[in-house]
Amino acid sequence: GQQLNQSPQSMFIQEGEDVSMNCTSSSIFNTWLWYKQDPGEGPVLLIALYKAGELTSNGRLTAQFGITRKDSFLNISASIPSDVGIYFCAGQGFGNEKLTFGTGTRLTIIP
Amino acid sequence: NAGVTQTPKFQVLKTGQSMTLQCAQDMNHEYMSWYRQDPGMGLRLIHYSVGAGITDQGEVPNGYNVSRSTTEDFPLRLLSAAPSQTSVYFCASSYSGQGVKSPLHFGNGTRLTVT
Repeated sequence: GQQLNQSPQSMFIQEGEDVSMNCTSSSIFNTWLWYKQDPGEGPVLLIALYKAGELTSNGRLTAQFGITRKDSFLNISASIPSDVGIYFCAGQGFGNEKLTFGTGTRLTIIP
Repeated sequence: NAGVTQTPKFQVLKTGQSMTLQCAQDMNHEYMSWYRQDPGMGLRLIHYSVGAGITDQGEVPNGYNVSRSTTEDFPLRLLSAAPSQTSVYFCASSYSGQGVKSPLHFGNGTRLTVT
């Protein structure tokens, strides 16, 4: 089945640093979503993007829907310990309600 | 409001055994689905249901059965467990579809090991 290429696979950063991750696809998507998974829990929706070129913020998180419709970016500013977890992108195609998930980016904060 | 409840949280099976993973939601969501999560593979859709009495296959349905006799419950059955089914399983639901305007709500997962 189709999968999204998400990078980096893992990140080790210090508290206070900014974080960037991205997702690319060979297919065009109608919607991009970003989820976060805390250890031992299910993913939770962070940001939803509905238009090419759209830039949306949710607190310290900012996500963009790529102009080509084949990619999306998530930035986290001034990271804090509770940002630790796995971040997933997900795309939804035209006329197809199924979500395709990325492989995830594991974020670790070094003390 | 409990949201999406999955049981059990952990399970160990021997090859060939059968079991049912339970999923219940109390949000009156029409759409329910099962995903498996494996390292480096993200979340892959196993089966889904758009309403009571209706089910359909996802990306990786082989080895799994589902049924949807009520709106609230969506159990996942493994008829003959195999080591390849060792994974973390997530149930998710939404008001409709997979979350364009109705985000998926995930349970906390069932970690299954097949030896």
